[in-house]
Amino acid sequence: SQQGEEDPQALSIQEGENATMNCSYKTSINNLQWYRQNSGRGLVHLILIRSNEREKHSGRLRVTLDTSKKSSSLLITASRAADTASYFCATDYKLSFGAGTTVTVRA
Amino acid sequence: EAQVTQNPRYLITVTGKKLTVTCSQNMNHEYMSWYRQDPGLGLRQIYYSMNVEVTDKGDVPEGYKVSRKEKRNFPLILESPSPNQTSLYFCASSSGQGGSPLHFGNGTRLTVT
Repeated sequence: SQQGEEDPQALSIQEGENATMNCSYKTSINNLQWYRQNSGRGLVHLILIRSNEREKHSGRLRVTLDTSKKSSSLLITASRAADTASYFCATDYKLSFGAGTTVTVRA
Repeated sequence: EAQVTQNPRYLITVTGKKLTVTCSQNMNHEYMSWYRQDPGLGLRQIYYSMNVEVTDKGDVPEGYKVSRKEKRNFPLILESPSPNQTSLYFCASSSGQGGSPLHFGNGTRLTVT
């Protein structure tokens, strides 16, 4: 069963703009992680948020978690061309992934 | 350098010809997992292993086998590959502690004709 489902499927923004994507999940979790994938390469871990946290920052990344709505959001501020990638969320350690959000940053 | 190494990177084979995709990690991780990635379907877990000699099915285990005889290696075996197993495969590992991140290999693109 896919635990994390990302939305929207695709996002196109101008360089310097912010990008926001969402993740919904079905069951109670201990933690939620976000990953980035560049063009068919292996996923790279970005950030983890635990179930008792509501918000977390890492550089230009901001993650929120709403356990009552079973959802999380990832915000990338001041986007750059290098942020062009697919982004995935996953929950706990068994870690099933959704189809991801493909972000394209236009110069 | 800490890494997960998959081989081969690309593989083209024919239906029914047994193949093995190797995965090795040098981080002494207990948890290892295999995924396949298909357009529009995301990453789906095939099998995972919590430790040596402990393996369990993921979401799409049919047609695949795995073994975990050593901590560092977690090969994926396709006994009789079929065209619907054409996909991009990823191996990943983590320490298995709650919330520890997955480290991914660079992927194996498999084509079965």
